[in-house]
Amino acid sequence: EAGVTQFPSHSVIEKGQTVTLRCDPISGHDNLYWYRRVMGKEIKFLLHFVKESKQDESGMPNNRFLAERTGGTYSTLKVQPAELEDSGVYFCASSQAGSSYGYTFGSGTRLTVV
Amino acid sequence: KQEVTQIPAALSVPEGENLVLNCSFTDSAIYNLQWFRQDPGKGLTSLLLIQSSQREQTSGRLNASLDKSSGRSTLYIAASQPGDSATYLCAVKGFRGGSEKLVFGKGTKLTVNP
Repeated sequence: EAGVTQFPSHSVIEKGQTVTLRCDPISGHDNLYWYRRVMGKEIKFLLHFVKESKQDESGMPNNRFLAERTGGTYSTLKVQPAELEDSGVYFCASSQAGSSYGYTFGSGTRLTVV
Repeated sequence: KQEVTQIPAALSVPEGENLVLNCSFTDSAIYNLQWFRQDPGKGLTSLLLIQSSQREQTSGRLNASLDKSSGRSTLYIAASQPGDSATYLCAVKGFRGGSEKLVFGKGTKLTVNP
């Protein structure tokens, strides 16, 4: 089966610009998660979709971040306007429904805000 | 609040050595624990998934154990090879804030020298 796909793999933008990251989960995975790793820190949870609904967005840093999941398929994470501290690697993961399942992660998008 | 700690932060060993990576977590109410590998600039590759009811899982030269009551897991790598060089991440899956999510440690950076 195809894995979790993220693009772009890298993005360099100027402070104040907008960037949109995309994630295509494994087909049939209801759960989709966004995580982020900033320099020197551990990977941290941003939000969780179940199908097209936001189950938990408690990890979203502020209202400059907006995530959507169209029709319960792919998801986008928009940062507008981007700030320097938003730089990091953004990971998407998906899993099947059920607490016993593990996560499959994408390769991540490395975002650099200059 | 769940916290995951990985010790050591970095480890350098000669090829062929057996080694143990440690992971501890503060809240034993978990569904499962997952060990991941991350190569530089790459995504997360799942190595082993241990359910909360299990004591260990094995895959090839890797063996992971779980002692949920004491909040500890170990990843044992037998006969290490230079190709094992990577950052190893431990993550626990629990239910917090209305949804299931993974909480990660900061990782152990492993270098296996030829």
